[in-house]
Amino acid sequence: KAGVTQTPRYLIKTRGQQVTLSCSPISGHRSVSWYQQTPGQGLQFLFEYFSETQRNKGNFPGRFSGRQFSNSRSEMNVSTLELGDSALYLCASSWGREETQYFGPGTRLLVL
Amino acid sequence: DAKTTQPTSMDCAEGRAANLPCNHSTISGNEYVYWYRQIHSQGPQYIIHGLKNNETNEMASLIITEDRKSSTLILPHATLRDTAVYYCIVRVGNGGGSYIPTFGRGTSLIVHP
Repeated sequence: KAGVTQTPRYLIKTRGQQVTLSCSPISGHRSVSWYQQTPGQGLQFLFEYFSETQRNKGNFPGRFSGRQFSNSRSEMNVSTLELGDSALYLCASSWGREETQYFGPGTRLLVL
Repeated sequence: DAKTTQPTSMDCAEGRAANLPCNHSTISGNEYVYWYRQIHSQGPQYIIHGLKNNETNEMASLIITEDRKSSTLILPHATLRDTAVYYCIVRVGNGGGSYIPTFGRGTSLIVHP
C-alpha cells in the first residue's frame, strides 16, 4: 500500500505570496492532519480534517487554512507568506480520528 | 492531553539495546502512549503504541509501568540507522473529542560504532 504523498517536496516563495501544499493520504484513510516543523518551535499541530470538515485546529493565525476533498486528499494554504513560515510542512493520515497517524515526507518551504 | 518529558539526548553502542525513557505522569485512563522517530528531517515514522500492556513489534518493545506514569521504548539491537530523534506522545485512543497532538522536543539518539 502506498504511503502518504506530499507535493511539492520543495518550494521557494517570497514574502507576501501565497502557497498551496497538497497531501494524498494512504488509501482508505479518512483523517488528515497537518503539522509545521521548525528548528525553533519543533513539530506543531496545524489542523485536522475528517470527512471534509475541519475537526481540530492548533494555535496558528488565520493565514493558515486547509481543506479536504471527498477522496480524502487535502490541501493547505498559507497566504501572505512571512519569513517565519519557512518550515517543513508535514501531513499525516489515519484511518479514523483517533487511530495511528502515518506521516508523509513533508514539503520544505523556504520564504525569501 | 497529557504532556511528556524525555531526555534531550542519549547514545548507544551499535548492537546493544537502546532504552529510551518517557515520563507522562498526568496521563489519563483513555490515553495511549505513542512512539515515533524522525530521521534527519524526513517525516516522523510510527514505531509502536500501547495503553497499559507491554507491546512488541518488529521494530521495538514498549514497556509501560503499572501506574502508566512512565514508559520505555526498547530497541533491542540498535544499528547506526536507528540514529534519530525519538518522540513519545500521549493521545486519546477512542471516544472522539478534541485532541491537540503535542510532540515536544523528543530524544536525540545517537548510535555509535
